[in-house]
Amino acid sequence: QSALTQPPSVSGSPGQSVTISCTGTSSDVGSYNRVSWYQQPPGTAPKLMIYEVSNRPSGVPDRFSGSKSGNTASLTISGLRAEDETDYYCSSYTSSSLYVFGTGTRVTVL
Amino acid sequence: EVQLVESGGGLVTPGVSLRLSCAASGFTFSNYAMNWVRQAPGKGLEWVSSVSSGSHYIYYADSVKGRFTISRDNAKNSLYLQMNSLRAEDTAVYYCARSISGGGTLGDCWGQGTLVTVSS
Repeated sequence: QSALTQPPSVSGSPGQSVTISCTGTSSDVGSYNRVSWYQQPPGTAPKLMIYEVSNRPSGVPDRFSGSKSGNTASLTISGLRAEDETDYYCSSYTSSSLYVFGTGTRVTVL
Repeated sequence: EVQLVESGGGLVTPGVSLRLSCAASGFTFSNYAMNWVRQAPGKGLEWVSSVSSGSHYIYYADSVKGRFTISRDNAKNSLYLQMNSLRAEDTAVYYCARSISGGGTLGDCWGQGTLVTVSS
């Protein structure tokens, strides 16, 4: 099972919006609405930000939103803040190995 | 408060075995599927293994199949990962994580991780 493909980095100015893509295949992202997004500051455990494509766990700001089209899922961060600068990973349920993670994206706030 | 605490990591030589543990508290452990996820130094997240709430269903990544064994003891609210024939490429921080949504979502709650270093 190959990792889902994410851009290595995205950047934006405070207040702007950034979108991170997560591209898989018809065996994972394309077949299941079980895409999740995680935020992981350096040296800490991941934190679930989005699950089932577009649902936010309690406590996650509504600046974070998720969507999916075909084999590609996306995480959008609106109203970018300095505290959003860190690493983000997607994951998907998959028919082959159960779960697969994305390659990870570093968000930089300019 | 929902809490997961891993233990058992350390520095080992290639070929040896190690057993990781994850102690759960603050929720009904027996109701949830559980997972191990690892992260090599400076690298991304890699799913390792999952076990259903009653241990009826167990899954492994190809990279560890045949060498690692996941298990759980619901009476002790604990998750385990028995790692045999360890290799240098198994060096990573190992996290335990809870699944929700009937197992479709991995990681609404994570432990702090335990570092396993495999080196001669």
